Amino acid sequence: GAVVSQHPSWVICKSGTSVKIECRSLDFQATTMFWYRQFPKQSLMLMATSNEGSKATYEQGVEKDKFLINHASLTLSTLTVTSAHPEDSSFYICSASLPQLFSNQPQHFGDGTRLSIL
Amino acid sequence: RKEVEQDPGPFNVPEGATVAFNCTYSNSASQSFFWYRQDCRKEPKLLMSVYSSGNEDGRFTAQLNRASQYISLLIRDSKLSDSATYLCVAHNAGNMLTFGGGTRLMVKP
Repeated sequence: GAVVSQHPSWVICKSGTSVKIECRSLDFQATTMFWYRQFPKQSLMLMATSNEGSKATYEQGVEKDKFLINHASLTLSTLTVTSAHPEDSSFYICSASLPQLFSNQPQHFGDGTRLSIL
Repeated sequence: RKEVEQDPGPFNVPEGATVAFNCTYSNSASQSFFWYRQDCRKEPKLLMSVYSSGNEDGRFTAQLNRASQYISLLIRDSKLSDSATYLCVAHNAGNMLTFGGGTRLMVKP
């Protein structure tokens, strides 16, 4: 069954709106979560690493004031796309690390959020 | 140069065919590797880990050559349901994953 839940799965909104995406770890505590973005026909690109109780680590070229990440609890990280514009339309996917003892893979992915800005 | 490189394809093959995908990586410190499968508009799902000794899971065989920094995936007896994008992934320090651009496979009747 799913170990990471992401919500919402699809968002359509007007330009200038801020959109919040939630990523929850189910039945385990995730001190580290990751946020990726995927444009059509391209691969997943890491945007930032979300650390519980501390500031997120952003990849080069990702604006931290535009993509606000909050990881206030061990089971929830949120990504807020502030004042979204059409060029922010993309597929956003979160993942969470599980201890290797409990998993055959280093990260488990949420279902993704398809964001469309009109 | 991208850290993980793949031929984007698409590979168009008939049902029952054998198809092979290749992947090269540039970070010799990468700890381990995986093949993920991604269907259109869905999240990536783990297909299999890749070991130097080679590993097989049913119709799928993966191989890692650390000396050449090369990874392969072989799919035998292709099914229509194998149509997807296959992502080569390197696992690095800090539990970070680096994804290749993906290889698109289309299996036709």
